[in-house]
Amino acid sequence: DSGVTQTPKHLITATGQRVTLRCSPRSGDLSVYWYQQSLDQGLQFLIQYYNGEERAKGNILERFSAQQFPDLHSELNLSSLELGDSALYFCASSVPRGRNTGELFFGEGSRLTVL
Amino acid sequence: GIQVEQSPPDLILQEGANSTLRCNFSDSVNNLQWFHQNPWGQLINLFYIPSGTKQNGRLSATTVATERYSLLYISSSQTTDSGVYFCAVGIIQGAQKLVFGQGTRLTINP
Repeated sequence: DSGVTQTPKHLITATGQRVTLRCSPRSGDLSVYWYQQSLDQGLQFLIQYYNGEERAKGNILERFSAQQFPDLHSELNLSSLELGDSALYFCASSVPRGRNTGELFFGEGSRLTVL
Repeated sequence: GIQVEQSPPDLILQEGANSTLRCNFSDSVNNLQWFHQNPWGQLINLFYIPSGTKQNGRLSATTVATERYSLLYISSSQTTDSGVYFCAVGIIQGAQKLVFGQGTRLTINP
């Protein structure tokens, strides 16, 4: 158990819908990261938050948004869903070492299926 | 951006065999991690190893940062070692992010 909790574990929805994925980081970790794993793209970095503020952005679509709350949990919102958004979405957390992300620990992922 | 190449892409071995997985990267890094993704999809931390050598039971890893590669050694393989092994690296470019290789799929047959 990495200590990172993600909900829901599985989610099936239809095209055009909106979903919210939730992540609770390890106790004491201030940084949260979101990654998308699809069959054809591998593990892709989406976005990072540090203590409530956006720190880095990857290839995150405009239809996707995220935030980190004062209690440090994070949510990833996916809207106007398309078939291609079907993927495993991972959250990770770490204690950054200066500008180094430090060691990342991953949750079990949320598997999203868009029909 | 940085390129991360893992080899081989696929590896099939018998139980008890040893294996070496390689990760090459195209730029200087100050962060390198190895992960094991098991058949259930979980990403499990193996090593945080931006340089040097570490060992944990049957697994060990070496990173030669100056030559831009890392190696993961698995000895006396067990069927539970099956899955995909990922190398992920980070460089300082603004706020750092971890970039993953495409992985090595390891299958250990009984």
